[in-house]
Amino acid sequence: AQKITQTQPGMFVQEKEAVTLDCTYDTSDQSYGLFWYKQPSSGEMIFLIYQGSYDEQNATEGRYSLNFQKARKSANLVISASQLGDSAMYFCAMRDPGNQFYFGTGTSLTVIP
Amino acid sequence: NAGVMQNPRHLVRRRGQEARLRCSPMKGHSHVYWYRQLPEEGLKFMVYLQKENIIDESGMPKERFSAEFPKEGPSILRIQQVVRGDSAAYFCASSHGGGSEQYFGPGTRLTVT
Repeated sequence: AQKITQTQPGMFVQEKEAVTLDCTYDTSDQSYGLFWYKQPSSGEMIFLIYQGSYDEQNATEGRYSLNFQKARKSANLVISASQLGDSAMYFCAMRDPGNQFYFGTGTSLTVIP
Repeated sequence: NAGVMQNPRHLVRRRGQEARLRCSPMKGHSHVYWYRQLPEEGLKFMVYLQKENIIDESGMPKERFSAEFPKEGPSILRIQQVVRGDSAAYFCASSHGGGSEQYFGPGTRLTVT
C-alpha cells in the first residue's frame, strides 16, 4: 500500500508568490515523522523541514512551512515568496517507528520569472 | 563540517561486472541508510545499518545486493553481476540517532551498459 501520495506531478508558480505542494500519508502508527526534501537538477537531496506526529505547532523553517493536518493525514509544504532557485523536485517522506522512510513520487516545481 | 560523502558520483559498468558504491556519513553520525531512485520515481529504501550491524534490509533485493558498514571506513553497497535494470541513482543518508532526520549524500549514478 502506498504510504505517501503526492498528487501534483508538476506545479508552476510566479516568482515572489506562495505555493503549496500537497502530500498525504497513510499510517496506523501514532508516532511518526514527516519530512520534505528538495532535489535540484544537480541531483542531491536537501532536507527542508520536519514535523513530528505529536507536534501541535506547524513546523516552519524560513520561507518553508508545513501545514500539518493530522486528522486528514496531510502534510503540505508551503513555500512563501518563491524564488527562481526554488525550481526543483520536492519529495515528501514519512518515517515510521521502525525508522524506515517512505518517499512520495515527487512534485516538480517551476518558478516563473 | 563535511556532509555525507559518496563516491564515485558516476559509475559505468558493463553487464555482469560488480559495482561498489561508498558512503562516508557525516561526522558524529553512526546510522547509515541506502536508497535507490529509478528515473522519474521517488527514493526507495534499501537498507539501514549501524556500525558492524545491519538493522533493516527489507528493501534489499534478495540476490546480488549486499551492504556493510564496518567499524572503520565507509559504508559499502555492493552489486554483483549488474544488469541494465540496476541503472539508477543510489543515495546514502546518515543520521545521528535512529529517530533523527537523515542527511543525504549527493548520490552515485550507476549506468549499466
